[in-house]
Amino acid sequence: QVHLQESGPGLVNPSETLSLTCTVSGGSISPYYWSWIRQTPGKGLEWIGYIYYSGITSYNPSLRSGFTISVDRSKNQFSLKVRSVTAADTAVYYCARNNYGGNVLIFDYWGQGALVTVSS
Amino acid sequence: DIQMTQSPSSLSASVGDRVTITCRASQSITNYFNWYQQKPGKAPKLLIYAASSLQSGVPSRFSGSGSGTDFTLTIISLQPEDFATYYCQQTYSMPYTFGQGTKLEIK
Repeated sequence: QVHLQESGPGLVNPSETLSLTCTVSGGSISPYYWSWIRQTPGKGLEWIGYIYYSGITSYNPSLRSGFTISVDRSKNQFSLKVRSVTAADTAVYYCARNNYGGNVLIFDYWGQGALVTVSS
Repeated sequence: DIQMTQSPSSLSASVGDRVTITCRASQSITNYFNWYQQKPGKAPKLLIYAASSLQSGVPSRFSGSGSGTDFTLTIISLQPEDFATYYCQQTYSMPYTFGQGTKLEIK
């Protein structure tokens, strides 16, 4: 059974960088795509972007710039960095595995979520 | 971006009831459409993919239908564990987008 676990600071100062890591267990990070999604009361669920195990990335163009996703295959982990955070980046951040149901992209495994608050 | 609009935003029902939740996409997404269930403090859980296919392990009282722009999630014979928030999602084109959610509450 694949298990995803987010980790990282729960409190980040405004203008600093938010960093989260998702550790994948029970399966390999290859050959899948892996996404970050965040959830806020105001905007609901927002897909941030994905990374392929090879390192190819794609980001949500409707979000501001400053998001970076990276992968460490040796540790079976992928990470999210958000630069210059503001209160608007306060959210529960989820990592999830991209897979296919038939020919339709699905998010079939999710982490439990990490609440990150941006505040001084 | 493709906008996903769910209705209703909230719904009260009783155990044993049949409920239907709808989702409309702002443009045709054929069947690149999924439903998720989320309980408080938990991650979303995939219920239905490709508009009408039941994810492994999901009870058969859940079903989905639709294609193009209009989709429905139906739950027959509601069980206590079904009271949750339901989200639709399109994966037709990036950015992948979700509906705003439908909160299903106990009457």
